[in-house]
Amino acid sequence: KQEVTQIPAALSVPEGENLVLNCSFTDSAIYNLQWFRQDPGKGLTSLLLIQSSQREQTSGRLNASLDKSSGRSTLYIAASQPGDSATYLCAVMEYGNKLVFGAGTILRVKS
Amino acid sequence: DADVTQTPRNRITKTGKRIMLECSQTKGHDRMYWYRQDPGLGLRLIYYSFDVKDINKGEISDGYSVSRQAQAKFSLSLESAIPNQTALYFCATLISGHRTSTGELFFGEGSRLTVL
Repeated sequence: KQEVTQIPAALSVPEGENLVLNCSFTDSAIYNLQWFRQDPGKGLTSLLLIQSSQREQTSGRLNASLDKSSGRSTLYIAASQPGDSATYLCAVMEYGNKLVFGAGTILRVKS
Repeated sequence: DADVTQTPRNRITKTGKRIMLECSQTKGHDRMYWYRQDPGLGLRLIYYSFDVKDINKGEISDGYSVSRQAQAKFSLSLESAIPNQTALYFCATLISGHRTSTGELFFGEGSRLTVL
């Protein structure tokens, strides 16, 4: 059974810092890996999607990497801002199109 | 208008009541999913449907049932709600096929259910 773990569970940083969120998964037979952002009480916003054949994806200040063989992904946020404060969720899509989620990292960026 | 619409957005009910959460999509996607989110547990899959006649149980299907009335509609029912079904429920859609799909799921805004 696929299990997805996110570390740390919570993170508080001062504005302007670069930071890394970690995601690990137990079964490397994945179709893709997705990072989402969730604001309190809200839905999920897709940030980045990395196909299993890719190593990284970038969007603005966000960069996500994927090392399928070791079962790891990182989300790098450059020059963090208070508006980045949210919960970040990592999810892997198994073949068969089922998405398995981690529990998330709660990020707080202090101004 | 949102591509994936969930109704109701908020519902408070009592133990033993029957509840239906509805999801409709305008994306033309064939695959639809129901997830539940609890604090500290991420999202867990309840049921998923690959087509109108294809319904599958997810990780935590006990106490729930679903109906795929049309390609665009997927409803989740709690026949007799209990307090530990209090959660945030999400519907999601996906288009299948190697040529057409990146494997990206699109989520609704969520339905917050409280069972007293």
